[in-house]
Amino acid sequence: GQQLNQSPQSMFIQEGEDVSMNCTSSSIFNTWLWYKQDPGEGPVLLIALYKAGELTSNGRLTAQFGITRKDSFLNISASIPSDVGIYFCAGSNSGYALNFGKGTSLLVTP
Amino acid sequence: GAVVSQHPSRVICKSGTSVKIECRSLDFQATTMFWYRQFPKKSLMLMATSNEGSKATYEQGVEKDKFLINHASLTLSTLTVTSAHPEDSSFYICSATGQGDTGELFFGEGSRLTVL
Repeated sequence: GQQLNQSPQSMFIQEGEDVSMNCTSSSIFNTWLWYKQDPGEGPVLLIALYKAGELTSNGRLTAQFGITRKDSFLNISASIPSDVGIYFCAGSNSGYALNFGKGTSLLVTP
Repeated sequence: GAVVSQHPSRVICKSGTSVKIECRSLDFQATTMFWYRQFPKKSLMLMATSNEGSKATYEQGVEKDKFLINHASLTLSTLTVTSAHPEDSSFYICSATGQGDTGELFFGEGSRLTVL
């Protein structure tokens, strides 16, 4: 599958700060998904986006499906220590396996 | 969200033995399941796609005789690592997509395989 370009690779921030990460692709996707993975666990779905231009929130998380269908971003507002983990973006075209970004490792200090 | 359960979560085996990992969809019927492999601090790499009742489709570079996949029912897929070697040590994660085809994938908890 195609590898998505996810950035930044890692972030080290203080509690309370906002975080932004993004993903780009050379191909169009019908669905963009954002996952969080804790060490030794499988990824957990945070937000799913289905329409170009769609902006969706889930608590302190906000994600947008780029208008070109080739990119997406995830914002985390007012970060807390439990936000620590690796965040993966993934693109999908219905019925096909996900193409993953390389992940953004987030560290939050109290 | 939908629940996918994977078992065992950790397994240690001797080189040359075979290990079976199970992936179950607990509250939905999974027409398609995917098996991923993840190396430390790396992203997920798709190994194979399995559809219930048919042979799995393997990604390029994945040995089908090495990684046997069976998807005998709509709620269970198994991955068997045959004649395991230390280089097979990895984190294996299954995922499933249900009927309705929203494009969402739900992941199991992962299985950490260590081959001695």
